[in-house]
Amino acid sequence: TQLLEQSPQFLSIQEGENLTVYCNSSSVFSSLQWYRQEPGEGPVLLVTVVTGGEVKKLKRLTFQFGDARKDSSLHITAAQPGDTGLYLCAGPGSGGSYIPTFGRGTSLIVHP
Amino acid sequence: GAGVSQSPSNKVTEKGKDVELRCDPISGHTALYWYRQSLGQGLEFLIYFQGNSAPDKSGLPSDRFSAERTGGSVSTLTIQRTQQEDSAVYLCARGAVVNTGELFFGEGSRLTVL
Repeated sequence: TQLLEQSPQFLSIQEGENLTVYCNSSSVFSSLQWYRQEPGEGPVLLVTVVTGGEVKKLKRLTFQFGDARKDSSLHITAAQPGDTGLYLCAGPGSGGSYIPTFGRGTSLIVHP
Repeated sequence: GAGVSQSPSNKVTEKGKDVELRCDPISGHTALYWYRQSLGQGLEFLIYFQGNSAPDKSGLPSDRFSAERTGGSVSTLTIQRTQQEDSAVYLCARGAVVNTGELFFGEGSRLTVL
């Protein structure tokens, strides 16, 4: 089983601060997805990273895939209250499975 | 939206009752997944449907859980003789048209078993 460990588990910050959350594994992933889930909603796909060392930007969000494709990070610049939510990373299951496996997520609260 | 409708959005039931949760994805997507999300836990895979292939039921936690998909579209997750530990949000997702691992989720069905 390919496990994804996310850290920190919880993060509470003030509006305008920067933050980074991490998604780590001992296994190599062919790709990783990041999702954001707001209370009472299903997770919403933010990005997919595929290539080792890849960096993708989505407005104030910067996603990076590690060179060895075992880890990924999400950096948010000048966080806003609208960034509040649960950030989940996910990747393919072991053995080429089509069943994505998810980390437990980082719960982010941005205070105005 | 994500093109996945789930109903009911909330369900409160008594221990021992059966419940049915429905997932209705937009047409043209053959991959459909059910996950369970409990408080403080990650997303737990339950079952996966892909086209006409036999579903992957490896995530179903007990024989009280079953799911079917009719006509390659609507799916129903049934929980028999519900227990308090079944309380969770049940999420349905469709896969991308080209299997990239990307999932598009419905808003979930919150089940509370009293």
